Amino acid sequence: ELKVEQNPLFLSMQEGKNYTIYCNYSTTSDRLYWYRQDPGKSLESLFVLLSNGAVKQEGRLMASLDTKARLSTLHITAAVHDLSATYFCAVEKGGSEKLVFGKGTKLTVNP
Amino acid sequence: NAGVMQNPRHLVRRRGQEARLRCSPMKGHSHVYWYRQLPEEGLKFMVYLQKENIIDESGMPKERFSAEFPKEGPSILRIQQVVRGDSAAYFCASSPRRGVIYEQYFGPGTRLTVT
Repeated sequence: ELKVEQNPLFLSMQEGKNYTIYCNYSTTSDRLYWYRQDPGKSLESLFVLLSNGAVKQEGRLMASLDTKARLSTLHITAAVHDLSATYFCAVEKGGSEKLVFGKGTKLTVNP
Repeated sequence: NAGVMQNPRHLVRRRGQEARLRCSPMKGHSHVYWYRQLPEEGLKFMVYLQKENIIDESGMPKERFSAEFPKEGPSILRIQQVVRGDSAAYFCASSPRRGVIYEQYFGPGTRLTVT
């Protein structure tokens, strides 16, 4: 059974600081996704990572994928308050197209 | 191009009543997925449908829950005889094709409260 673990589950950081969220998964997968969710809202797609060594950046967020280690990271650079949200990684179970989600990392960026 | 639409956005039902959740996929998308999110949890897969077909319902509880995606109209997730444990946010996602690298686009969700 595919399992996806994120850590930390809660992250409180100051504006301007850097931090990394980790996503480990238990079995081989083709695709890994990062989503952002604001309270009471739906999921906003941030990144789709398809191959080993893939790195994508958008603004202050950068995601990478190491399929050999079954690990993805979401790096936050110089955090700002607007980044406060819950971030989920999700792994596509091979051949099925259904996504298995981590529990999410609730990020709070303090002024 | 309108995104994935879900209605109602909020639904309150008493124990024992039926809940019907509707999902209209994005234009051109023929694949629909339903996920459930409990408070402070990630989303859990329930069912994957194409038009008139259930492809994978491995995440759906065996009793009281059913889903359909008819040839015409939205996909429906139906929960019969709701219980308090059914209270959750239910999200629908759609994608254009299976077996191709297309991501799933999520709707705004239906928040079900069972009293």
